[in-house]
Amino acid sequence: AQTVTQSQPEMSVQEAETVTLSCTYDTSESNYYLFWYKQPPSRQMILVIRQEAYKQQNATENRFSVNFQKAAKSFSLKISDSQLGDTAMYFCAFMKYRDDKIIFGKGTRLHILP
Amino acid sequence: EAGVTQSPTHLIKTRGQQATLRCSPISGHTSVYWYQQALGLGLQFLLWYDEGEERNRGNFPPRFSGRQFPNYSSELNVNALELEDSALYLCASSLVLGADGVDQPQHFGDGTRLSIL
Repeated sequence: AQTVTQSQPEMSVQEAETVTLSCTYDTSESNYYLFWYKQPPSRQMILVIRQEAYKQQNATENRFSVNFQKAAKSFSLKISDSQLGDTAMYFCAFMKYRDDKIIFGKGTRLHILP
Repeated sequence: EAGVTQSPTHLIKTRGQQATLRCSPISGHTSVYWYQQALGLGLQFLLWYDEGEERNRGNFPPRFSGRQFPNYSSELNVNALELEDSALYLCASSLVLGADGVDQPQHFGDGTRLSIL
């Protein structure tokens, strides 16, 4: 069975700083996807970034980038130049290739302080 | 493009009652997924519907059921409600496979908060 672990329940950083959220996962699959989802207080789950396991290049989306270490089964999210609107719960998630269900970590609550 | 819409926003029930939650997927999406986000348990996969059929379900009792209609909208029914069913229920939709054969990301709605008194 696959598991996703986020070891930081809560983090706070000052606006404009860079912050890294950690995630490790466990799987015996070779083909899979990893995601970071953001859930602001408005509740809607928003896809931040996605990484296909077969791609060695780390995914980036504007201020968001990942450090994907397949051998170590690590998938961290870096947020550069953090903004107040980045305040949210962040979920790391895993999905097997050609599967249907996403397996989520417990989440990291991120506070961006003015 | 309208996103995934869920109704109602909030639902209050008492133990033993039944609850019905509704979800409309993004136009063109044929797959609908249901997740339960309970306090302390995180997000857990509940059900997957595609083309009107239940394709997979998570580790939940049979009193959690649902269906998908010909227009791809979906209902989640929870019978014999228990206190621990209090949670945010999220619906997501996707294309199962994109034109390039790549799994498509799931897009989530705002959720229905179900409170059991």
